[in-house]
Amino acid sequence: GAGVSQSPRYKVAKRGQDVALRCDPISGHVSLFWYQQALGQGPEFLTYFQNEAQLDKSGLPSDRFFAERPEGSVSTLKIQRTQQEDSAVYLCASSLNSGANVLTFGAGSRLTVL
Amino acid sequence: GENVEQHPSTLSVQEGDSAVIKCTYSDSASNYFPWYKQELGKRPQLIIDIRSNVGEKKDQRIAVTLNKTAKHFSLHITETQPEDSAVYFCAASGGAGNMLTFGGGTRLMVKP
Repeated sequence: GAGVSQSPRYKVAKRGQDVALRCDPISGHVSLFWYQQALGQGPEFLTYFQNEAQLDKSGLPSDRFFAERPEGSVSTLKIQRTQQEDSAVYLCASSLNSGANVLTFGAGSRLTVL
Repeated sequence: GENVEQHPSTLSVQEGDSAVIKCTYSDSASNYFPWYKQELGKRPQLIIDIRSNVGEKKDQRIAVTLNKTAKHFSLHITETQPEDSAVYFCAASGGAGNMLTFGGGTRLMVKP
C-alpha cells in the first residue's frame, strides 16, 4: 500500500476486556515496530519485527501485551485484560530494511480504557 | 539502553524568527538521528535526518547539526511560519537494539 495503515483508529474498551490492534505496513518493508504514545509524550518502543521474527520485545510493559507478525506482513498487537494505564495511542511504523532507519508511521490506534 | 533528552519542552516564537531545539543522547554507538513533526492527532512525519558521518545537513528552512563528541544534535528552523506549529521529536538509533529512541518532544508555537 501507499502508507502504513492501522485499525481501528479509535477503540474504547472496558477495563478487563481484551483488544487487538492491526497494522498493515508498507508492502515489502522488512522491519515493523510498535510504539506506545501517552498524551503529551514521545513514542515509547514496545517491540520490533524483522519479517516474521520478533527480534526485540523488551519494551512490552507486561505479559498482558503480545504482538505477532506471522507472515512477515500484517502485524497485530493484542492487549489482554486492559487496564486504565493502557490508554494511549499505539503507533505502528515500518522501514524498508532491517533496523530502525527511515521509519514511516501509521496514524495510530487510540485506545481508551474506561 | 539509549536515553534521549530534548529541550525546551515548549517554544514560542514570532513568525519569521528562528527556532532551535536541542537533544542529547547517551549511547555513543548511535549513528542515526531523525527529527519528526507531529501535528495534533496526526502521525509523526519525518522532516529531516542525519547520520553520524556528517556534521550538518540542510533542507530549505530546516537544518540539523550533530556533535558526536558531545553527543548532542539540534534542529534549526529559520523564517518560521504558522504552519510550522506542531510537536517536534528528536530520536536516535544504531546503538544497542534496533529501535528508535525518542525524546520527550517540543511543542513549537509560531505566532503570526
